[in-house]
Amino acid sequence: QKEVEQNSGPLSVPEGAIASLNCTYSDRGSQSFFWYRQYSGKSPELIMFIYSNGDKEDGRFTAQLNKASQYVSLLIRDSQPSDSATYLCAVITDRGSTLGRLYFGRGTQLTVWP
Amino acid sequence: DTAVSQTPKYLVTQMGNDKSIKCEQNLGHDTMYWYKQDSKKFLKIMFSYNNKELIINETVPNRFSPKSPDKAHLNLHINSLELGDSAVYFCASSLWGTSQETQYFGPGTRLLVL
Repeated sequence: QKEVEQNSGPLSVPEGAIASLNCTYSDRGSQSFFWYRQYSGKSPELIMFIYSNGDKEDGRFTAQLNKASQYVSLLIRDSQPSDSATYLCAVITDRGSTLGRLYFGRGTQLTVWP
Repeated sequence: DTAVSQTPKYLVTQMGNDKSIKCEQNLGHDTMYWYKQDSKKFLKIMFSYNNKELIINETVPNRFSPKSPDKAHLNLHINSLELGDSAVYFCASSLWGTSQETQYFGPGTRLLVL
């Protein structure tokens, strides 16, 4: 069983603050890592993907990956109320055996208050 | 210019009935997926097709039968619906073999079994 763990939250931050979302995964063969955002009643939408150790920045979002610690995080700078949503961490494990199966964590609910 | 579409959006039906959900993508992707999101928002893969071939078949009751008539379509037929089948079913698609294999989700079908 491939496991992806996230703190369910809720995580509550004031507008303008940095929101930090964390995710750990159990399979060392994991290769690609994704952060999806899901608004209530909507479908997941991709925010970022990362597959190399280190940081990847895209606007206000930074994904951080540490394969040795099996840890991936998402930082949201200058948080806005519109960022309030559930953030899903997802991992693709070794394609040879599971053919790109995407495993999701249970999500962290983020609330940004004005 | 919808990317991944699903029909119907809502489905309310009685226990024991048979129903189908349809999915279509116009992204030129070759791989399509069905996910189930339960009441606790956990998103779990059910099936995946690559070029019309079943490649992922999770532990799902055989009352669920996917069918892919072509690369752009993946349907899900459910026989003898049970109360526990109530959930949101998401279709997704991706392009196999790309470096990140990002999956794009449809809007979801909200199934309620009474």
